[in-house]
Amino acid sequence: GAVVSQHPSWVICKSGTSVKIECRSLDFQATTMFWYRQFPKQSLMLMATSNEGSKATYEQGVEKDKFLINHASLTLSTLTVTSAHPEDSSFYICSARASFSTTGRTNTEAFFGQGTRLTVV
Amino acid sequence: GNSVTQMEGPVTLSEEAFLTINCTYTATGYPSLFWYVQYPGEGLQLLLKATKADDKGSNKGFEATYRKETTSFHLEKGSVQVSDSAVYFCALTRNSGNTPLVFGKGTRLSVIA
Repeated sequence: GAVVSQHPSWVICKSGTSVKIECRSLDFQATTMFWYRQFPKQSLMLMATSNEGSKATYEQGVEKDKFLINHASLTLSTLTVTSAHPEDSSFYICSARASFSTTGRTNTEAFFGQGTRLTVV
Repeated sequence: GNSVTQMEGPVTLSEEAFLTINCTYTATGYPSLFWYVQYPGEGLQLLLKATKADDKGSNKGFEATYRKETTSFHLEKGSVQVSDSAVYFCALTRNSGNTPLVFGKGTRLSVIA
């Protein structure tokens, strides 16, 4: 299947600094990627939809100035947490959907990065 | 809007016990349904999926059947192993376009020897 690579897998940063998380589709092009956030023992909440060459679409309640998303190419989307605070500590996961054809049918499947555990101290 | 309601955990089972994790959904149209598994410290992995009514997804001994009449997609396994300990997420998405997944809250499964 397709591979989505996310980097770094974990990061610890000081309050007030910014952290950039990269999400790459390694063997397919992704015009759209999704960024999710997962709090401990909770589900994944969609933060934003990242569109190549245009502005990201943010979910209600997500601060676009705090969580900057850039999707400059068909294989790379980045999420930058600006002026991080301890309450931003969380597990961030990116996802991209890849389409592939088998026996005349086209299937689309979501692939996830390994996730980034951010700890702000 | 679309939503997924999943059985609350945690669930603790002995090895070789039968597993059922309930999942029901609310959606417009005909969504695709998924089960994802998340092992400790890792990202999500697709476990199985079904794209239309009455489809059965299966993988690694796990099964789930897309029941349109009951809007359900319950996950089952006949004999769990310690290595199945993980968090399981039920999810749905529209079949067309680049749409995100909508997840249930997840069910933590612990299997003890």
